[in-house]
Amino acid sequence: DVKVTQSSRYLVKRTGEKVFLECVQDMDHENMFWYRQDPGLGLRLIYFSYDVKMKEKGDIPEGYSVSREKKERFSLILESASTNQTSMYLCASSFGLAANTGELFFGEGSRLTVL
Amino acid sequence: AQSVAQPEDQVNVAEGNPLTVKCTYSVSGNPYLFWYVQYPNRGLQFLLKYITGDNLVKGSYGFEAEFNKSQTSFHLKKPSALVSDSALYFCAVRVVFNAGKSTFGDGTTLTVKP
Repeated sequence: DVKVTQSSRYLVKRTGEKVFLECVQDMDHENMFWYRQDPGLGLRLIYFSYDVKMKEKGDIPEGYSVSREKKERFSLILESASTNQTSMYLCASSFGLAANTGELFFGEGSRLTVL
Repeated sequence: AQSVAQPEDQVNVAEGNPLTVKCTYSVSGNPYLFWYVQYPNRGLQFLLKYITGDNLVKGSYGFEAEFNKSQTSFHLKKPSALVSDSALYFCAVRVVFNAGKSTFGDGTTLTVKP
């Protein structure tokens, strides 16, 4: 089975802190994604990566950055956390062919609270 | 731009009754359509997808969905609901040759009562 592992299930940080959310997948997927989930707003794409060292902005990239130094690992960085970044963060991966029909595989989520 | 609408925030059904969770979409081009389920404090799990071919697709846990191109809909159905089906359900759409851009609906909370 595909496994997408997010390093932290629950985090509490203070405003202004730098926050790292780590995600690792074990299926050699090319694509990796970071979504943010808020009640009533569904899932919104923050960033995605289709190859090592490659990244593209999603719908809500402001206040976030990402890093993909290895194929299996995709990190989301909050340079200076703010209270409006309190949310559930979901990492996902998928095969990377341009016409791939595959579904997304999700991690268990990281619930971040910024005080 | 692509979009997904799930018109019902909440669906309540009695155990043993059929259930429907509605989804409509808007895309330019041929859509790939997906349903995912999320249990409390968990990530999303894939249920089923429509890519091409038969408009009725079957997926995990007895769920099925019907693709209707003229109505741009992809409703999720199950003939007989279980209490354990209670969860948050998301519809998602992606267009061909755009592996990076899945758009999700806002989600529908399904509650199945004994």
